[in-house]
Amino acid sequence: AQSVTQLDSHVSVSEGTPVLLRCNYSSSYSPSLFWYVQHPNKGLQLLLKYTSAATLVKGINGFEAEFKKSETSFHLTKPSAHMSDAAEYFCVVSDETGRRALTFGSGTRLQVQP
Amino acid sequence: DTGVSQDPRHKITKRGQNVTFRCDPISEHNRLYWYRQTLGQGPEFLTYFQNEAQLEKSRLLSDRFSAERPKGSFSTLEIQRTEQGDSAMYLCASSIHVNTEAFFGQGTRLTVV
Repeated sequence: AQSVTQLDSHVSVSEGTPVLLRCNYSSSYSPSLFWYVQHPNKGLQLLLKYTSAATLVKGINGFEAEFKKSETSFHLTKPSAHMSDAAEYFCVVSDETGRRALTFGSGTRLQVQP
Repeated sequence: DTGVSQDPRHKITKRGQNVTFRCDPISEHNRLYWYRQTLGQGPEFLTYFQNEAQLEKSRLLSDRFSAERPKGSFSTLEIQRTEQGDSAMYLCASSIHVNTEAFFGQGTRLTVV
């Protein structure tokens, strides 16, 4: 079985400060991991993905995530938040067998204060 | 536009009516997924197809729900005898093969009154 836990339902940061959105996963196999972003009334957009290559993954809009197998974590970071980063973020897992569909976390709402 | 296309974007229906949604995936994408998302929640898996074969169905997919993907191209999701609890955003996604990223459509927002 595979699952994803997003440890914070809401995160609030000030513009220009670092962002950390936490994600822990569980998978019986070597997973592929993704972060998606959903802006209000917009579709889900892929931020970045990990598929067993480099453990530090760079995505769009300055976001990064690091795969840590020992901690079963895939936290999303950004050095400096921008107002336009305010959105809902989802951590997603898929196992290597491909027999299971993508499993989403419950989401983290990021607020960016001016 | 070569993204995932869903139709209609919005649907309002009376309780007890049947509704059908369509999803056109990105060309040559073998996998097609259906998810449901309610306000404030993450997308919940409903079902997925590998080409025309329906490989997995969630327990959320009651007997009133049926999905098809004839010829491995577009897919339809039908809900029979709709209930107010079916009100949600229905999302379709496609991916080229296993473990690659899925591309999502804009969704169909269903409101059952």
